[in-house]
Amino acid sequence: DAMVIQNPRYQVTQFGKPVTLSCSQTLNHNVMYWYQQKSSQAPKLLFHYYDKDFNNEADTPDNFQSRRPNTSFCFLDIRSPGLGDAAMYLCATSGIAGETQYFGPGTRLLVL
Amino acid sequence: SQQGEEDPQALSIQEGENATMNCSYKTSINNLQWYRQNSGRGLVHLILIRSNEREKHSGRLRVTLDTSKKSSSLLITASRAADTASYFCATESNFGNEKLTFGTGTRLTIIP
Repeated sequence: DAMVIQNPRYQVTQFGKPVTLSCSQTLNHNVMYWYQQKSSQAPKLLFHYYDKDFNNEADTPDNFQSRRPNTSFCFLDIRSPGLGDAAMYLCATSGIAGETQYFGPGTRLLVL
Repeated sequence: SQQGEEDPQALSIQEGENATMNCSYKTSINNLQWYRQNSGRGLVHLILIRSNEREKHSGRLRVTLDTSKKSSSLLITASRAADTASYFCATESNFGNEKLTFGTGTRLTIIP
């Protein structure tokens, strides 16, 4: 089945230690999104790619970076995680920008 | 700031009853979508309604859209325990900026 896969499902890192979260998709969608979701809150868009075009949200901290080496994969790099970065990170794809998004199961990040 | 506000924030009903959730938004939109999120999981797309549509059905789901009031409602009929989840509305603005803005969500609990 076509799907969006996120690895790992749970990630524990230390304060200030770089961490990379990964997302892959078999849907062959042009658009990929990264969201941050904290407990009992709405998903907050960090950035998205339309093909190789990167679109950063104005309020996304510089600590967050992303790479999309090909259509199928997208990575979220957190250069120096702080305690406030502990959250669920959701990857989503869309075949047509602005329309239905397909989400992965998320990676829950814990910062010690 | 978040585009959508949802009402109520939390809703508990008996199994078999109908559940209604409301979403209000601030700017003109191309479409409005509803998503479900089970605890600790990714979001699942439920239904998309375009700005020129007023009502849409999918199984036990009924969505209405009133663009003059900038509001939408999601009705779940004959609720089941498996409907327990958080429900989010999301809007694509008519600026065509390729992204969705999520509402604050309604936490629905179905009591068996």
